[in-house]
Amino acid sequence: EAQVTQNPRYLITVTGKKLTVTCSQNMNHEYMSWYRQDPGLGLRQIYYSMNVEVTDKGDVPEGYKVSRKEKRNFPLILESPSPNQTSLYFCASGLMGQTNTEAFFGQGTRLTVV
Amino acid sequence: AQTVTQSQPEMSVQEAETVTLSCTYDTSESNYYLFWYKQPPSRQMILVIRQEAYKQQNATENRFSVNFQKAAKSFSLKISDSQLGDTAMYFCAFMKQWDNDMRFGAGTRLTVKP
Repeated sequence: EAQVTQNPRYLITVTGKKLTVTCSQNMNHEYMSWYRQDPGLGLRQIYYSMNVEVTDKGDVPEGYKVSRKEKRNFPLILESPSPNQTSLYFCASGLMGQTNTEAFFGQGTRLTVV
Repeated sequence: AQTVTQSQPEMSVQEAETVTLSCTYDTSESNYYLFWYKQPPSRQMILVIRQEAYKQQNATENRFSVNFQKAAKSFSLKISDSQLGDTAMYFCAFMKQWDNDMRFGAGTRLTVKP
């Protein structure tokens, strides 16, 4: 089954404790991205990657890191989480440079930083 | 930069009736895609309908249809014969052709009442 898998689904952590949210896709997509969803703001892009070892900042990259060592994985790293990073996070993947493309989303990760 | 505006934070409709969700966008591009995503309480992002800007014909998927007005940069979603399962947050999104960067509106929370 074609899917994007995020883990964990829920996470409560304390300020300053490093964490990683994993994302994996099995569709051989070149493009992967991370979004955060906040009430009244919709989804905003954090980082994206167009292929292995190619990453770039989205609209709200501060406080986040990513890596793309393998095509299927695109982890989101919070080196020192703060309460303003409490949010709902989505990983998405898609084909590059194709017409009729769409984004395939993971199930979301609800992160709470206390 | 492209922006997407959903001016209705919340809407409600009686079961079996029709409701229209509004979306406007701002872009200087001539080739792009527009999407409506549904997010039920499970948080999953589900693609409802997609419109290619070069197509004049409005997209339709069963009870869901769009009114795409390119000159006015308007992309509304009409849900006919509303069902309780249509209760969800709905996001309008924009994507340039050949570019995987997807821009979202703030969302409209739709409640279908029995």
